[in-house]
Amino acid sequence: EPEVTQTPSHQVTQMGQEVILRCVPISNHLYFYWYRQILGQKVEFLVSFYNNEISEKSEIFDDQFSVERPDGSNFTLKIRSTKLEDSAMYFCASYRMGIGGYTFGSGTRLTVV
Amino acid sequence: DQQVKQNSPSLSVQEGRISILNCDYTNSMFDYFLWYKKYPAEGPTFLISISSIKDKNEDGRFTVFLNKSAKHLSLHIVPSQPGDSAVYFCAARGEYGNKLVFGAGTILRVKS
Repeated sequence: EPEVTQTPSHQVTQMGQEVILRCVPISNHLYFYWYRQILGQKVEFLVSFYNNEISEKSEIFDDQFSVERPDGSNFTLKIRSTKLEDSAMYFCASYRMGIGGYTFGSGTRLTVV
Repeated sequence: DQQVKQNSPSLSVQEGRISILNCDYTNSMFDYFLWYKKYPAEGPTFLISISSIKDKNEDGRFTVFLNKSAKHLSLHIVPSQPGDSAVYFCAARGEYGNKLVFGAGTILRVKS
């Protein structure tokens, strides 16, 4: 079964540092997403990406966040200057419209200290 | 944002019996609903979905029922197995855009 792959599985970073979370979506999927889940809270939508541009973003996705699909396979989430409250599980997902569900990766646990 | 609600934080069921997980939503523009299962430190795993034009979808031991007038859906697992113990999330997709809105999740424990 095709998978969405995320690296690293765990990232610890100092407050104020930049982090890049990486994802390899399923190859024939067209829509890509980042979600996050702060410990004990809901899974929250951050951003969706289609046709090489952001199609929708939440209020969480402020100027500190950016996404890229630099080489047609990887899909990255960058946080420019991390804050303590950015500590969460970050999930990448991909989707091919009309077929089944959205496939999620196993997540990156980001810990900001 | 409470558009998707799972009011039961946990459910405990005996092995072999039916598990019924409930979800309510407030946005009548949602057109597609999904159930996900999640283990600790893993990503959500897709289980089953239903379009707003249907009222039932079945896949093996899993059946999802949708009551549009009540804005309510439920996931039935029968028979329940110990391996079904996990957190179950209900999610919904809006008519415009295709982001998912998640409920808070229900912890299911299946006792053997």
